[in-house]
Amino acid sequence: QVQLKESGPGLVQPSQTLSLTCTVSGLSLTSNSVSWIRQPPGKGLEWMGVIWSNGGTDYNSAIKSRLSISRDTSKSQVFLKMNSLQTEDTAMYFCARNYVGYYFDYWGQGVMVTVSS
Amino acid sequence: DIQMTQSPASLSASLGETVTIECRASEDIYNGLAWYQQKPGKSPQLLIYNANSLHTGVPSRFSGSGSGTQYSLKINSLQSEDVASYFCQQYYDYTFGAGTKLELK
Repeated sequence: QVQLKESGPGLVQPSQTLSLTCTVSGLSLTSNSVSWIRQPPGKGLEWMGVIWSNGGTDYNSAIKSRLSISRDTSKSQVFLKMNSLQTEDTAMYFCARNYVGYYFDYWGQGVMVTVSS
Repeated sequence: DIQMTQSPASLSASLGETVTIECRASEDIYNGLAWYQQKPGKSPQLLIYNANSLHTGVPSRFSGSGSGTQYSLKINSLQSEDVASYFCQQYYDYTFGAGTKLELK
C-alpha cells in the first residue's frame, strides 16, 4: 500500500526558511520520482519541483532560486527547503508520486503552512 | 511555458445530468493531460491520464477526450459524490488548469 505523508511546521515567519518532509511507504525512492505541489487557500495547484528516481531535480522556474529538494533513500524521505518566505507562500503543501514523469497518482494528505509574524 | 485555460470556473448541475469541463493548452500537448478531482479538505485524486485513460477504481461515468490543444472531461449521470473541484494538468511542465468548482443545482 503506497502512502505519502507530509510533515513540518504550521507557521513560519516572513523571510524565514520552510523545511518540509515527505515520508514515503510502499515504494522505493530509487525507482520512483516525487514532486512537491502547493495550493494557496481557495486557489489552484502549483507544481513546485521534482526529485527524480536517479536523484536529479527539476524546479518551477518561478521559484527555482528559493527552492531545494533532496532525499534520504535509506529513510524513504523527501525534503523541501524554500527560503525567503513571504505571505503569498501560505498554502497547503502536498507531495505526490510523479508517475514516469507524467502525472501524479499518489498524493499525501498535505500540510498547511502559514507565513505570518 | 505551456498555459492551460480551463472552463468554466464554476458549474451548477442537477443529479443525473451530464456535465463537461474543458481545458485548452497554449500549444499541442499530444494527449499529455491528466484530470483530478479534489473534494474540500482533501488532496487531489487522479481520474484520467493520457487524456482518455480511466485510472484504476474511477467510476465509468467519468471519461476524457480530446487531442492537440483541446481536451474535455465528461461526467455522465451526475451523482452527489461528484461535487468537487476538478483540475487538468499537462505533462510538459506540470502546469495545472485553474480549476472548475462543480456544485449541485
